Amino acid sequence: KAGVTQTPRYLIKTRGQQVTLSCSPISGHRSVSWYQQTPGQGLQFLFEYFSETQRNKGNFPGRFSGRQFSNSRSEMNVSTLELGDSALYLCASSPGLAGVMYEQYFGPGTRLTVT
Amino acid sequence: GDSVTQMEGPVTLSEEAFLTINCTYTATGYPSLFWYVQYPGEGLQLLLKATKADDKGSNKGFEATYRKETTSFHLEKGSVQVSDSAVYFCALSSGGSNYKLTFGKGTLLTVNP
Repeated sequence: KAGVTQTPRYLIKTRGQQVTLSCSPISGHRSVSWYQQTPGQGLQFLFEYFSETQRNKGNFPGRFSGRQFSNSRSEMNVSTLELGDSALYLCASSPGLAGVMYEQYFGPGTRLTVT
Repeated sequence: GDSVTQMEGPVTLSEEAFLTINCTYTATGYPSLFWYVQYPGEGLQLLLKATKADDKGSNKGFEATYRKETTSFHLEKGSVQVSDSAVYFCALSSGGSNYKLTFGKGTLLTVNP
């Protein structure tokens, strides 16, 4: 089975621009979660989508948004980029059924640098 | 809210040494507990997990026991190898349909030959 894939792997943007990151989960998985990893704040949960609906949300400003498509692929968008948004953005997938804590499988991440 | 505290690194050991990385947690309800490992330039890999009190997770020689009385989930390995050099993260999920993982800050382990 192919693993979680994320595109692009590296991205450089300028302050004020917006960016879209993509995540393709493992085949059959319906839950996709996004995390931000920075040296200062560590790993922080952004949001989780299941069957095209946002099911959980972390404590991030509204500039961070996401969506999930009917094939379970997910995108996250960051608008009006700030220097502090420079981070490794990780996507994780899981079967996602309610009431069962399945493992989450992580992709390699997208390294975003904001200049 | 949920939180995870793990020992700060870096930890430097010689090959075949004993490893312990401490992890304690605060959570509502009955969380599931995890250890993830991150190798340089890569995403996170699940190392082991435990879903209820007194469960022992184990994988690749690593072990951790879910201790509800001490709210701990310490990672141990009897004999580390150079290939174990990586960053280790302790994490919890409050369970049910909550797929949010709360992570500790991570512990960098370097194993020297």
